[in-house]
Amino acid sequence: DTAVSQTPKYLVTQMGNDKSIKCEQNLGHDTMYWYKQDSKKFLKIMFSYNNKELIINETVPNRFSPKSPDKAHLNLHINSLELGDSAVYFCASSQHRDSNQPQHFGDGTRLSIL
Amino acid sequence: GENVEQHPSTLSVQEGDSAVIKCTYSDSASNYFPWYKQELGKRPQLIIDIRSNVGEKKDQRIAVTLNKTAKHFSLHITETQPEDSAVYFCAASIGNTGFQKLVFGTGTRLLVSP
Repeated sequence: DTAVSQTPKYLVTQMGNDKSIKCEQNLGHDTMYWYKQDSKKFLKIMFSYNNKELIINETVPNRFSPKSPDKAHLNLHINSLELGDSAVYFCASSQHRDSNQPQHFGDGTRLSIL
Repeated sequence: GENVEQHPSTLSVQEGDSAVIKCTYSDSASNYFPWYKQELGKRPQLIIDIRSNVGEKKDQRIAVTLNKTAKHFSLHITETQPEDSAVYFCAASIGNTGFQKLVFGTGTRLLVSP
């Protein structure tokens, strides 16, 4: 059983399109995250949600809109995709909102913008 | 500040040698320091973590040391094996209680040659 699962694994699309990535965790954790890993492997937090409430928004463009229907799900919708959005997006979760808890990552979604 | 510096960026060792990766952080309030291993095309996986109330932690061939005064922490891998080859990331918790996040270092690509 995958603890943090995200879909799709690969996403290839054209500039200007709108796309969504889904994430689900079955660990019973309260807190979920979205990270972006660029081509240089830099791993940077984008958003954090605790029990459906947004708690961290790292000045990500408005084109990115996270949605958490319940604490086990955190989806990421991206409007008007740009070339610079090409990256691997990782979902993660931790037991509580304080980040001194281990974070468990999903397998990533590789987004390629043509 | 929100800065975690990691060195070296690449590290090549012979099988059986030890490997050391060093990180420094800027926020004196940081209290949690995890290390992640990321194999090619895979998700980051937590391998060891340390909290600010201890100076050293060991798990088989892996150990982490923390110097709070100097604000640096290190990962030590002994008796390296080819399967240790991966990119290793350090991270430090930053922010106020309840709104903390992990800031990652830039990664170290470890290559263990047989």
